[in-house]
Amino acid sequence: GNSVTQMEGPVTLSEEAFLTINCTYTATGYPSLFWYVQYPGEGLQLLLKATKADDKGSNKGFEATYRKETTSFHLEKGSVQVSDSAVYFCALSAVLRAQKLVFGQGTRLTINP
Amino acid sequence: AAGVIQSPRHLIKEKRETATLKCYPIPRHDTVYWYQQGPGQDPQFLISFYEKMQSDKGSIPDRFSAQQFSDYHSELNMSSLELGDSALYFCASSPGEVVYGYTFGSGTRLTVV
Repeated sequence: GNSVTQMEGPVTLSEEAFLTINCTYTATGYPSLFWYVQYPGEGLQLLLKATKADDKGSNKGFEATYRKETTSFHLEKGSVQVSDSAVYFCALSAVLRAQKLVFGQGTRLTINP
Repeated sequence: AAGVIQSPRHLIKEKRETATLKCYPIPRHDTVYWYQQGPGQDPQFLISFYEKMQSDKGSIPDRFSAQQFSDYHSELNMSSLELGDSALYFCASSPGEVVYGYTFGSGTRLTVV
């Protein structure tokens, strides 16, 4: 079945540092890929998405590129802020109607001033 | 913009009691998904509905049941509650075509005592 593997956390960085959170997936066909962010005590917010190979999703300075050859969708940000502290989930879904999201285990990110 | 509405936000129940969680999807979204998130864990898929019919089923206990009504809202019914059912329960909706992403509600925090 489909699955997502994220780099283990927690990750702690200083403000303005470069961020990479690795995400690899196993899926049949060509899934859609997503990054969700969860702030403390809140729900899951869509951060960015990509629906086909070589697509780059971007939002709020975060980027991720759909790499089919390496089955990866790594999340990057050039300069993190304290406000980026949250849990980040990589997820995929099959490209069919009404398909569920499959999540990775999440990576807790803490940014220190 | 309208979001996914879940109620109640918090719920405290005793063991062996029954709980009902409600979810109101974004207008014109025809698919609803339910997820359970334990402390420090990734969301686990429970069940989904497309056009008021169950479309997929995950790790949902037999003690739980759910349905989607004619107005597309959904309810998750949980009976014979156990301590291990304490978790965040998220509802998400999508317009069916997953390339548009999924929108999550803020969740219901269920505590079983």
